[in-house]
Amino acid sequence: QSVLTQPPSASGTPGQRVTISCSGSSLNIGHNNVQWYRHLPGTAPKLLIYNNIQRPSGVPDRFSASKSGTSASLAISGLQSEDEADYYCVSWDDSLYGPVLGGGTTLTVL
Amino acid sequence: QVQLVQSGAEVKKPGASVEISCKASGYQFIAYGIHWVRQAPGQRLELMGWINPDNGATKMSPQFEGRVSISSDTSATASYLKVTGLRSGDTAVYYCARTSGPVAGHFDTWGQGTLVAVSS
Repeated sequence: QSVLTQPPSASGTPGQRVTISCSGSSLNIGHNNVQWYRHLPGTAPKLLIYNNIQRPSGVPDRFSASKSGTSASLAISGLQSEDEADYYCVSWDDSLYGPVLGGGTTLTVL
Repeated sequence: QVQLVQSGAEVKKPGASVEISCKASGYQFIAYGIHWVRQAPGQRLELMGWINPDNGATKMSPQFEGRVSISSDTSATASYLKVTGLRSGDTAVYYCARTSGPVAGHFDTWGQGTLVAVSS
């Protein structure tokens, strides 16, 4: 059971906007930054968002994120077929003194 | 450029141990933490633990305490993950990742992954 809670799946049609939520507690998201990663099994995960809302260079502005209290969310607009992947949120946990991971959300583009 | 290069695939029998290396280059090794992550077939990513190469401090995720250890060698600019008492559930791709700070932060660079297969 993951410390951070994500929906196991999400879906959308090409061009649509989808959001993925990530819920935690005051020990992690409520007190620390959130990151989002995209992962295709067999390949290294890719950083999409850091410091709650920042995009690394090279990540399209179709990807955005927000954080409020103990929850965060990732939004993908203009959905494309290549966006099909697993998406994970990560935050530091003050109690565990280490990063904690969401359970991951599998995004399907219909 | 900043790079993490991991050792090659391993096939091990149940009960054996495996050590995976993660060779860093292109940056000051002691200034950034190294974390280890794995993904078993059909499963989600799991955070295993981290090391601060500057002082050798480590922390394992609770589910990996006891069988997993992480070390580093500053002269070799490498981190090592050792898993003992291997079982079939340890079959996975193992990744090392660099954090943006000495311990905490985002994972800005990843190794290519190392497949460990546990089979009798």
